[in-house]
Amino acid sequence: KQEVTQIPAALSVPEGENLVLNCSFTDSAIYNLQWFRQDPGKGLTSLLLIQSSQREQTSGRLNASLDKSSGRSTLYIAASQPGDSATYLCAVQKTTDSWGKLQFGAGTQVVVTP
Amino acid sequence: SAVISQKPSRDICQRGTSLTIQCQVDSQVTMMFWYRQQPGQSLTLIATANQGSEATYESGFVIDKFPISRPNLTFSTLTVSNMSPEDSSIYLCSVEAFRTSGTEQYFGPGTRLTVT
Repeated sequence: KQEVTQIPAALSVPEGENLVLNCSFTDSAIYNLQWFRQDPGKGLTSLLLIQSSQREQTSGRLNASLDKSSGRSTLYIAASQPGDSATYLCAVQKTTDSWGKLQFGAGTQVVVTP
Repeated sequence: SAVISQKPSRDICQRGTSLTIQCQVDSQVTMMFWYRQQPGQSLTLIATANQGSEATYESGFVIDKFPISRPNLTFSTLTVSNMSPEDSSIYLCSVEAFRTSGTEQYFGPGTRLTVT
């Protein structure tokens, strides 16, 4: 069974520092990996999608890498801002037969202090 | 991207009652998905809803407890039946969108349910 782990569970940094969030998964037979942001009591906002054949994706200050063979993905957020405070979730879709069946990690709660 | 709305956004319900949550998408989609997020936990898939067929439930979830309707390609409902405090969660619907970069999932804003 696929297990997705996110480390650390919580992170607090001063504004301007770079954020590094880690996601690991036990079964490397994934179709894709997706990073989401969740604000308190709200739904999920998709940040980045990485296909299994890709090594990284970038959007603005966000960069996500994927090392499928070692079962790891890292989300980098450059020059953090207080507005980046949220919970960040990674999720993997195992195979093309598992449409929509995302396996989520427990999330990393990020606080960026002014 | 897909824009998803849910109703209600939140509700407080009494034990033993039922609540129906609506999910509306701004475009036609083949499959819609219902997730549950219990307090302090991550998301767990409840079921997949296809238009014109019965929903497919994940292990640990049953139709009698979580009946789902999918009357057309833009709408679905999830009912939480005979509620107990353990059903207090955020319920989210999601859809897949096929993009050049791959298959991406989008989520609604969620329905926060509190059962007293």
